[in-house]
Amino acid sequence: ETGVTQTPRHLVMGMTNKKSLKCEQHLGHNAMYWYKQSAKKPLELMFVYNFKEQTENNSVPSRFSPECPNSSHLFLHLHTLQPEDSALYLCASSQDRSLNTEAFFGQGTRLTVV
Amino acid sequence: DQQVKQNSPSLSVQEGRISILNCDYTNSMFDYFLWYKKYPAEGPTFLISISSIKDKNEDGRFTVFLNKSAKHLSLHIVPSQPGDSAVYFCAASGILTGGGNKLTFGTGTQLKVEL
Repeated sequence: ETGVTQTPRHLVMGMTNKKSLKCEQHLGHNAMYWYKQSAKKPLELMFVYNFKEQTENNSVPSRFSPECPNSSHLFLHLHTLQPEDSALYLCASSQDRSLNTEAFFGQGTRLTVV
Repeated sequence: DQQVKQNSPSLSVQEGRISILNCDYTNSMFDYFLWYKKYPAEGPTFLISISSIKDKNEDGRFTVFLNKSAKHLSLHIVPSQPGDSAVYFCAASGILTGGGNKLTFGTGTQLKVEL
């Protein structure tokens, strides 16, 4: 069992659909993240949660709605997406410390919007 | 404006030789740097990191060098092995006011280690 688990691994959805991505971490971390990797682009931070509170929204459109019910679970609710939102969505977690520390990533959800 | 740059999209090295992956950054406020490795269909895996108070950090076959004045870091892998073939991402970390870290990534370098 990996430290950070994402489901589903692959998702195809229409522009009018509503779907959710799920992330669970078993590392006892307090910070969780959503990153997006589009083709030919670097990974981009979307949202950060620390102790269940959102601490960063990197100017993400409202059609992406995160939810963090507890420190172990993170969701990304998707609604009325566009084809250009097709990408690899990665969840990560890290310890909350005053110093920098590494983040551990899940395997990602490959999303295709048709 | 890309703050972390990996100018070589690919690198090919023979098994047993040294692999050198380079990374440049523009924001002098970055003070912690990381390298991640990514295989196809998997998420990035943390490899090695370095704080700006150091200029070198070594872990087995992997060594990261940091030149703050040049805003440049490099990852050395020696000896290179076929299993090292993957995409390598450089990242710079900043602490967020509310907690957590923000990683700013480069676009990655595809390393291929040939027999």
